[in-house]
Amino acid sequence: DQQVKQNSPSLSVQEGRISILNCDYTNSMFDYFLWYKKYPAEGPTFLISISSIKDKNEDGRFTVFLNKSAKHLSLHIVPSQPGDSAVYFCAASAVIQGAQKLVFGQGTRLTINP
Amino acid sequence: EPEVTQTPSHQVTQMGQEVILRCVPISNHLYFYWYRQILGQKVEFLVSFYNNEISEKSEIFDDQFSVERPDGSNFTLKIRSTKLEDSAMYFCASRSTGSEKLFFGSGTQLSVL
Repeated sequence: DQQVKQNSPSLSVQEGRISILNCDYTNSMFDYFLWYKKYPAEGPTFLISISSIKDKNEDGRFTVFLNKSAKHLSLHIVPSQPGDSAVYFCAASAVIQGAQKLVFGQGTRLTINP
Repeated sequence: EPEVTQTPSHQVTQMGQEVILRCVPISNHLYFYWYRQILGQKVEFLVSFYNNEISEKSEIFDDQFSVERPDGSNFTLKIRSTKLEDSAMYFCASRSTGSEKLFFGSGTQLSVL
């Protein structure tokens, strides 16, 4: 049951260019979306989030766009830097029967080439 | 900056043995979670815990698994009789009231031989 899908397992981008990571979800009960970044041998670290009442949230080089009608969100990184090379997980959150449920996508491995 | 800490970083065990994975969540957080990631797969939810009880668990979290908050700071995950397929990276996470953001520990790599 893949409620949150990241269809691209990997993405390679030139340094300085824009990186666009995509995520689709199926459950309309999700009302909050988060992007996490993960380096090898470390836990996921929070990057940026967006509430379902918004369609865009920006934080420095990172912008998340939400298209509720398409159940699609994307993370834009511009300009991309070598330190951005990591696995990026999209996560969707909903409170179901009083408990917060956070569901992760499969992750996209982003490689920034110098 | 406060962080979630997990010990040990790597645990090797024989199939059928019991293991306890330990976590110290961020001190003012009240919601605690365990997730796991099998190599090459996505991060999967195991269990959430609040007010000294399980609030939700996934189908992975069967009766071989248990969680406990034995004191005011630790949060543990116990696997009673480990199986080969339990080999994974186990992440503890916590969050504060009113925030959707989970903070994750660095994980415990469990290897069942």
